[in-house]
Amino acid sequence: SQTIHQWPATLVQPVGSPLSLECTVEGTSNPNLYWYRQAAGRGLQLLFYSVGIGQISSEVPQNLSASRPQDRQFILSSKKLLLSDSGFYLCAWSGLWGRRAEAFFGQGTRLTVV
Amino acid sequence: SQQGEEDPQALSIQEGENATMNCSYKTSINNLQWYRQNSGRGLVHLILIRSNEREKHSGRLRVTLDTSKKSSSLLITASRAADTASYFCATDAMDSNYQLIWGAGTKLIIKP
Repeated sequence: SQTIHQWPATLVQPVGSPLSLECTVEGTSNPNLYWYRQAAGRGLQLLFYSVGIGQISSEVPQNLSASRPQDRQFILSSKKLLLSDSGFYLCAWSGLWGRRAEAFFGQGTRLTVV
Repeated sequence: SQQGEEDPQALSIQEGENATMNCSYKTSINNLQWYRQNSGRGLVHLILIRSNEREKHSGRLRVTLDTSKKSSSLLITASRAADTASYFCATDAMDSNYQLIWGAGTKLIIKP
């Protein structure tokens, strides 16, 4: 069966520090991968999606970047965190391109920038 | 952009009662999905209903879709304390750029 791992679960980082959140998927190959951010009490905002190794599409220009160095690995990064980067970050994968299939989510990372 | 809009924003009912949540959207869709999110956790897929379907069931869940009104409802029958969570609808809009469009969610509280 397929599983998705996302870590860390919580993170407190000072303003200006770098960020690296990692997500890995097991049990499937060539998944479509997504990074979302969720503000408190709100829905999900898509940040990045990837259809293959090295292929990253950005939906919202901001202080973050994403990389996919391996088929089942998706990394969210920042060189210098801002206070506004605080939030709940979710990694997800789906088996079919686009959105005509269900998405499977990791457990999320609560990022607090102080 | 947030196409899906759920209502109510919050719902509190007694255990055993039925809970109904609604989702409205703005543009034509290929499908609509409902997800559940427990506090501080990831989302879990509940059910997907395609644009040519009107009703779908899964256990205690019943989803309806009215494409003429651009709306969907999620009914949870015989609610349990474990159903306490936030529920989100997500639409696969025909004119969106390969992304699900999410609503802000309904926070459901089941009182024992």
